[in-house]
Amino acid sequence: AQSVTQLDSHVSVSEGTPVLLRCNYSSSYSPSLFWYVQHPNKGLQLLLKYTSAATLVKGINGFEAEFKKSETSFHLTKPSAHMSDAAEYFCVVSGDTDKLIFGTGTRLQVFP
Amino acid sequence: KAGVTQTPRYLIKTRGQQVTLSCSPISGHRSVSWYQQTPGQGLQFLFEYFSETQRNKGNFPGRFSGRQFSNSRSEMNVSTLELGDSALYLCASSLGLAGVSHFYEQYFGPGTRLTVT
Repeated sequence: AQSVTQLDSHVSVSEGTPVLLRCNYSSSYSPSLFWYVQHPNKGLQLLLKYTSAATLVKGINGFEAEFKKSETSFHLTKPSAHMSDAAEYFCVVSGDTDKLIFGTGTRLQVFP
Repeated sequence: KAGVTQTPRYLIKTRGQQVTLSCSPISGHRSVSWYQQTPGQGLQFLFEYFSETQRNKGNFPGRFSGRQFSNSRSEMNVSTLELGDSALYLCASSLGLAGVSHFYEQYFGPGTRLTVT
């Protein structure tokens, strides 16, 4: 069975500073991992995905994530936060059941 | 290309009633998935349809059902509504089935917010 844990429910940063959203996963199989973003009153948008190719994955809007099998982690980072990055972020795993399992989400606040 | 559309966007129902939500996928997409999003349980997978057949199902009671039409449009139905069914229901479409070896990106609609009183 697969599961995903987002270690922080809220993260606050100042504009221009780095962003780190943490995600740990559990999977019996080689997982596919994703990060989605949800802006208020909007649907989810795929930021990036890992599907057993390069361990460092680059996504849209300057985000990237690194798959670390030894640490079972898939943390999302961005070098410099922008006000428009304020949203809820979901770490997602897909494994042997072909279902997407969503984490509980991390709300990112960006202060000017 | 038009995105995923969901109707209605907002809905208020009373306990015991039933409700039908509609989802129109992106043109050419054959897979439609449904999710329930609540503050307490987060995002949970309901079911996935591909070529008019349910291919995957989450852990929800039988009161939750769905179907897909030949044009890939999908509906989900919830019968005998309970207060706990209040949620944002999200629909996502993709070219093919989400799977382990290859993942078709899922495009989400804005959701239908259902309130049960």
